Amino acid sequence: RKEVEQDPGPFNVPEGATVAFNCTYSNSASQSFFWYRQDCRKEPKLLMSVYSSGNEDGRFTAQLNRASQYISLLIRDSKLSDSATYLCVGSGYSTLTFGKGTMLLVSP
Amino acid sequence: DADVTQTPRNRITKTGKRIMLECSQTKGHDRMYWYRQDPGLGLRLIYYSFDVKDINKGEISDGYSVSRQAQAKFSLSLESAIPNQTALYFCATSDLSGQPQHFGDGTRLSIL
Repeated sequence: RKEVEQDPGPFNVPEGATVAFNCTYSNSASQSFFWYRQDCRKEPKLLMSVYSSGNEDGRFTAQLNRASQYISLLIRDSKLSDSATYLCVGSGYSTLTFGKGTMLLVSP
Repeated sequence: DADVTQTPRNRITKTGKRIMLECSQTKGHDRMYWYRQDPGLGLRLIYYSFDVKDINKGEISDGYSVSRQAQAKFSLSLESAIPNQTALYFCATSDLSGQPQHFGDGTRLSIL
């Protein structure tokens, strides 16, 4: 079983839409979680850390549900520049475990 | 200047050649990592190091070796390159366990 699973998408949304991604993790001992953004053929960049029940940063809100072992990312008022792949990441036994990513395409 | 620098950025080489990818960082982090990324497979951990005297195998270490020359430098070697090692390679660093990792710009490696 994959430790961190995501729907690969793509999610196609118009500008201004609200979109949500979910991610499930299997390691119940994971303590910290992150969302990364990766543009095509570029390096992953940290978008948000999710340390407790969740947090918000502008148009982006991340939620953590430990009982159900899932993490979500909500993007409000989508911009064209939000088009990217979003990687869900959980802390493993000694390293981080990356999901394969969910692709988002925002159209005019 | 970038905090995590990878060289070269692009490399095309032939099967059987020895290749070294280099990574240096100015973040002062103890932990360094090498990943490869292939379409549809996501990031896969090759090797990681928690300090200069520590080397650990990751998910896919076969065919690769690493050297941690200093806290700031971590190099990845392909002793005898093969075509299925064609991929995008990333170096990353982190401070403590459970902390986010910071990535270099990547090295695009093509093996013919």
